[in-house]
Amino acid sequence: DAGVIQSPRHEVTEMGQEVTLRCKPISGHNSLFWYRQTMMRGLELLIYFNNNVPIDDSGMPEDRFSAKMPNASFSTLKIQPSEPRDSAVYFCASTKDRGSEAFFGQGTRLTVV
Amino acid sequence: DQQVKQNSPSLSVQEGRISILNCDYTNSMFDYFLWYKKYPAEGPTFLISISSIKDKNEDGRFTVFLNKSAKHLSLHIVPSQPGDSAVYFCAASAWNRDDKIIFGKGTRLHILP
Repeated sequence: DAGVIQSPRHEVTEMGQEVTLRCKPISGHNSLFWYRQTMMRGLELLIYFNNNVPIDDSGMPEDRFSAKMPNASFSTLKIQPSEPRDSAVYFCASTKDRGSEAFFGQGTRLTVV
Repeated sequence: DQQVKQNSPSLSVQEGRISILNCDYTNSMFDYFLWYKKYPAEGPTFLISISSIKDKNEDGRFTVFLNKSAKHLSLHIVPSQPGDSAVYFCAASAWNRDDKIIFGKGTRLHILP
C-alpha cells in the first residue's frame, strides 16, 4: 500500500484566498484524522471521521475551516478565507480500527502571505 | 488545555547513553498511549505503544514505562544512536470511548557524537 497520500506537499497562497488540502487514506482504514502542527501547539487534532462521518470537529479553530469526506478514499480540509496565522504543516492520518496506531501522510506545508 | 504534556522541548544525549523522554497526561479516561518519531519534512511514524493494563512495554532498544497513579509515561532509548535524532511525540487515546488520538507538543532529541 502507498500509505496515506496528501496533496499538495507545499502551498503558498495570499491572505484571503481559499485553500484546499487533500488526503487519501490507506485503503481499508475506517478512521481519518486531520492534524495541524505548529511550534506553539505541537500536533493539534482538528477533526476526525469514522466511516466517512465527522465525529468530532471541536478542534477546528474557526468557521473558516471546513472538512469533508465524501467517500472512504478521499477527504478535504478547506480554509476560506485563509489568514497568515493559518500557516502551519497540516497532516492527515488514518487508522484501521480503534486500538490500532495511526499512519500519517507526509503533510502539507501551508504558507499564507 | 493540553491533555498530553511534554515539558521538555529538547534533549541532548551522548551517543551510546540512555535517552529518557517524559510525558504527562491529565485525562484519567486515557487507556492507550503511543510514541511517535518525526524526522524533518516527513510525517510522524509510530514507534511503540502501551495499554493501561500494563506498566512496561519493550521493543528492541525502546521501552515505554507507564505510571498510572502519577499519570506519567516515559520512553527509554538505549543505547542511543545518531539516527535517533528526531522529534518524539507522546500521544494518548481513550479507546474505551472514542477514536481520538491526542498528541503532546513533542520533544526534540539530539544525539551527540
